[in-house]
Amino acid sequence: GAVVSQHPSRVICKSGTSVKIECRSLDFQATTMFWYRQFPKQSLMLMATSNEGSKATYEQGVEKDKFLINHASLTLSTLTVTSAHPEDSSFYICSARAPYSYEQYFGPGTRLTVT
Amino acid sequence: AQSVTQPDIHITVSEGASLELRCNYSYGATPYLFWYVQSPGQGLQLLLKYFSGDTLVQGIKGFEAEFKRSQSSFNLRKPSVHWSDAAEYFCAVGAGNNDMRFGAGTRLTVKP
Repeated sequence: GAVVSQHPSRVICKSGTSVKIECRSLDFQATTMFWYRQFPKQSLMLMATSNEGSKATYEQGVEKDKFLINHASLTLSTLTVTSAHPEDSSFYICSARAPYSYEQYFGPGTRLTVT
Repeated sequence: AQSVTQPDIHITVSEGASLELRCNYSYGATPYLFWYVQSPGQGLQLLLKYFSGDTLVQGIKGFEAEFKRSQSSFNLRKPSVHWSDAAEYFCAVGAGNNDMRFGAGTRLTVKP
């Protein structure tokens, strides 16, 4: 149980375009989902926290207009990188938390490359 | 806010040797503590977690960790390392406010 999927696993896009990454909790309802960013050989940095049906809470320094997060259902959150630039290239990982749980279940990550 | 320190960026051990990865945390209340492992290009796999109770926690793949409140530590141990254990290891601390903060990670290299 407690499986989280991400799609796509890898994506290459051109500079200036937008790309959407999906995060799904497959066998549980996730009231809260989290988006992390990981640069090569570095740790995970929390970008934002999203609760189903409400606006995401962004960490300091994360541009909310650039990284659009939607958590429209209890099993799906999406991260859209708008007007992507090469410096947005990174590994994006989502996680989901079930109600009344302190544990987060992580997706396998999405490798974004902006050319 | 909580924070995590992993003092060792890179550790090399010989296969079959014992392993200890250090983790220190900072948090005002009782934290929720986790160890994750990440292979290159992959997501995170939970090795073990501590919420409460017995301070010695057993995890998967033969790993264990001990919560020491007096030292604000949650070190990860394994008595005999296998070549397949080579990976990046992250300690994380969670709090009741949904936050989870990760340490910088420790890269483990296993010598044959």
